Amino acid sequence: DGGITQSPKYLFRKEGQNVTLSCEQNLNHDAMYWYRQDPGQGLRLIYYSQIVNDFQKGDIAEGYSVSREKKESFPLTVTSAQKNPTAFYLCASTPQMGRGSSYNEQFFGPGTRLTVL
Amino acid sequence: GQSLEQPSEVTAVEGAIVQINCTYQTSGFYGLSWYQQHDGGAPTFLSYNALDGLEETGRFSSFLSRSDSYGYLLLQELQMKDSASYFCAVRGPDGGATNKLIFGTGTLLAVQP
Repeated sequence: DGGITQSPKYLFRKEGQNVTLSCEQNLNHDAMYWYRQDPGQGLRLIYYSQIVNDFQKGDIAEGYSVSREKKESFPLTVTSAQKNPTAFYLCASTPQMGRGSSYNEQFFGPGTRLTVL
Repeated sequence: GQSLEQPSEVTAVEGAIVQINCTYQTSGFYGLSWYQQHDGGAPTFLSYNALDGLEETGRFSSFLSRSDSYGYLLLQELQMKDSASYFCAVRGPDGGATNKLIFGTGTLLAVQP
């Protein structure tokens, strides 16, 4: 079955350490997204990528970095520069982009819950 | 700025009808979508409105009025499994060039027996 996988489900990190969250999709989707969700809050966009080897900052990119070397993979690195990294991180994808295209729902992975100790 | 406002919590009983409102203020608008998220889970897509009017999908319906910058999600014949958070999201601050979304803060729906 096609879908999006994120690993690990739970992640603990010490302050000052970088950590990389995995996101893989086998849906053959072009676009991928990373969101952060804090308790009782909506989703805020960190980074997104419309095509391989290209990505753009979202609304809260500071302290995060991404790469898109393969269509299937869009890993997120939470760096030590991120002041408050404890949150639920969600990865999503859509099949196509483009003005005038019919809307494509975002398909979400199960998320990674990051806790900084 | 860009914002979407939803009630933070709604409570209803099984079998009832509940409406979750969403008002938005964004720099551009290309459509309003709704997502459901159970506690600790991933959001799942419910509906999308690009034009004014009502869209019906089973027990769920979604409405949009672009002139009022307003939409709502209507859930009928409520079931216990509908207890979840519901988020509205706007596509379009970039003129619809992408499927990038801005999400509201979510409405926690509690369905009681």
